[in-house]
Amino acid sequence: AQRVTQPEKLLSVFKGAPVELKCNYSYSGSPELFWYVQYSRQRLQLLLRHISRESIKGFTADLNKGETSFHLKKPFAQEEDSAMYYCALSGGTSYDKVIFGPGTSLSVIP
Amino acid sequence: DTGVSQNPRHKITKRGQNVTFRCDPISEHNRLYWYRQTLGQGPEFLTYFQNEAQLEKSRLLSDRFSAERPKGSFSTLEIQRTEQGDSAMYLCASSPGVQANEKLFFGSGTQLSVL
Repeated sequence: AQRVTQPEKLLSVFKGAPVELKCNYSYSGSPELFWYVQYSRQRLQLLLRHISRESIKGFTADLNKGETSFHLKKPFAQEEDSAMYYCALSGGTSYDKVIFGPGTSLSVIP
Repeated sequence: DTGVSQNPRHKITKRGQNVTFRCDPISEHNRLYWYRQTLGQGPEFLTYFQNEAQLEKSRLLSDRFSAERPKGSFSTLEIQRTEQGDSAMYLCASSPGVQANEKLFFGSGTQLSVL
């Protein structure tokens, strides 16, 4: 069965410090992995997806199939990074649904 | 605004009443999802459509829940005989529905409170 876990419900870091939000998944095939973000009073929106290998707002994420992880990283946290972050997974076909993890609330302390 | 639109934004109802929510996806998006989110939790998958076809409904979903997308455009989610445990934010999302790694576009949600 598909499952996404995010072990930390809350994460606090100081401005300028590195940040890593953990995500682990279980899926029998080759999944598509995503990070979504929800800023205060805004809609849930895509931050990045592993297929694009892109860096958005300084965030990167590497898919590690051996460890079934897709951790989100940023070398220097900014106050505007404070938000809820959700890791999400979809199967490898266009007909597969997207499921979400429980989320991590990131708080960047000035 | 050409984003995903959900109505109403808030709904307060008494236990046992029926409620219906509407979602208007982005024009020409074939895929439409319904999720439920409670405080401190991630979006929980409820069901999704490809055009007018309902592809999957969560096994956790009671028979009191039903969703339709009759013409492949807007969708409705109905909850019959509401219970206090149904209180949650109901989110709708859409995507083109062509590739596996597509971005989901979310609406602002409908906040349901069952008294």
